Amino acid sequence: SQQGEEDPQALSIQEGENATMNCSYKTSINNLQWYRQNSGRGLVHLILIRSNEREKHSGRLRVTLDTSKKSSSLLITASRAADTASYFCATDPITQGGSEKLVFGKGTKLTVNP
Amino acid sequence: DGGITQSPKYLFRKEGQNVTLSCEQNLNHDAMYWYRQDPGQGLRLIYYSQIVNDFQKGDIAEGYSVSREKKESFPLTVTSAQKNPTAFYLCASSIVGTSGFNEQFFGPGTRLTVL
Repeated sequence: SQQGEEDPQALSIQEGENATMNCSYKTSINNLQWYRQNSGRGLVHLILIRSNEREKHSGRLRVTLDTSKKSSSLLITASRAADTASYFCATDPITQGGSEKLVFGKGTKLTVNP
Repeated sequence: DGGITQSPKYLFRKEGQNVTLSCEQNLNHDAMYWYRQDPGQGLRLIYYSQIVNDFQKGDIAEGYSVSREKKESFPLTVTSAQKNPTAFYLCASSIVGTSGFNEQFFGPGTRLTVL
């Protein structure tokens, strides 16, 4: 089953509004990463947050991590039409043999209407 | 101009054919990865390599093969044994981390269609 699952699956907002996407996961992690994917393109890394961190900022992006609830959120403030994309969380689960792979969720499709 | 490139952008395969997807990086990364993405889905790991001449199977390696003869290159062959190969294929690279996976840099992808 998916380690990371994003919620909602799709989100439509107006330009200037804030967008919040959530990610839940099942097992303990080393870190959690957020990526953006424009339609038909490769993924672009946004933010990495480690398991001992609670919040990180990058420009208009704010990521929080709650390891007790096994969840993370990505907030995009003052959204722009150019933010229209799919957003994926990827977890680096702790396993017996050490890190093996990033596990990606199915993504949240964000549409920002002008 | 550093980055990761994939070619071709679009690829069409006939039934029973093997095809090879190219992935090249000049970021001096040790680790490289191949993912498959189906519509509306996340990424699934096919193969990964953390050092030249070594690679590991991911979650869906059946019907695929790879080689890692050079640090810069990690080609993926989709063989005729892969029954449903139509998908978007993404290559990525990263620095090998000592405490978990670092950020991955992705290529632009190759869209493979079986005719």
